[in-house]
Amino acid sequence: AQKITQTQPGMFVQEKEAVTLDCTYDTSDPSYGLFWYKQPSSGEMIFLIYQGSYDQQNATEGRYSLNFQKARKSANLVISASQLGDSAMYFCAMREGGGGTSYGKLTFGQGTILTVHP
Amino acid sequence: EAGVAQSPRYKIIEKRQSVAFWCNPISGHATLYWYQQILGQGPKLLIQFQNNGVVDDSQLPKDRFSAERLKGVDSTLKIQPAKLEDSAVYLCASSLGAGPNEQFFGPGTRLTVL
Repeated sequence: AQKITQTQPGMFVQEKEAVTLDCTYDTSDPSYGLFWYKQPSSGEMIFLIYQGSYDQQNATEGRYSLNFQKARKSANLVISASQLGDSAMYFCAMREGGGGTSYGKLTFGQGTILTVHP
Repeated sequence: EAGVAQSPRYKIIEKRQSVAFWCNPISGHATLYWYQQILGQGPKLLIQFQNNGVVDDSQLPKDRFSAERLKGVDSTLKIQPAKLEDSAVYLCASSLGAGPNEQFFGPGTRLTVL
């Protein structure tokens, strides 16, 4: 079973509007972290935002916020006031806790290509 | 602070040839990761080092891939012999530790196997 699912292969948004990128996850570990990364055409992965499974409040970083719904196992990324430079591939990723040997390993979704129109 | 460095940025080889990639993590970062990203997919972890010890190599095709981090700093990833399906971007990342720490990624090496 997929641990991270991003159901939107591509999304389009008008400049200055808000957009939501979907992410659902699957884990039985009570301790985990959820990440969003941006990958522009240059290829580098840029960290955007992090949400821990025990965090009570939704994470926010500037124009990025994470809509964390634990019961539904979803961690959607909301980008407010889109800019042309936001056009890129966006990946949702999960790190499961538990202190095992794979602690730290990120499991990524398939990604969503976001295109911002002027 | 310098980021994660990788070289080369691009490499084209023929199948059955060998190739090596190099990664220099951020200074002081104990944990180093190699990911393989096939076009249109998310990155997949190949191997994770904690200092110079291997923590996780469960998804590394050990018949053809090898990696080392001898002094707990730089790392090399080698493929020998390469197959067509190895065409991908190889990303190196590092973090302070294996716990809840952000992973910083390098620019990647794009490998094309003909």
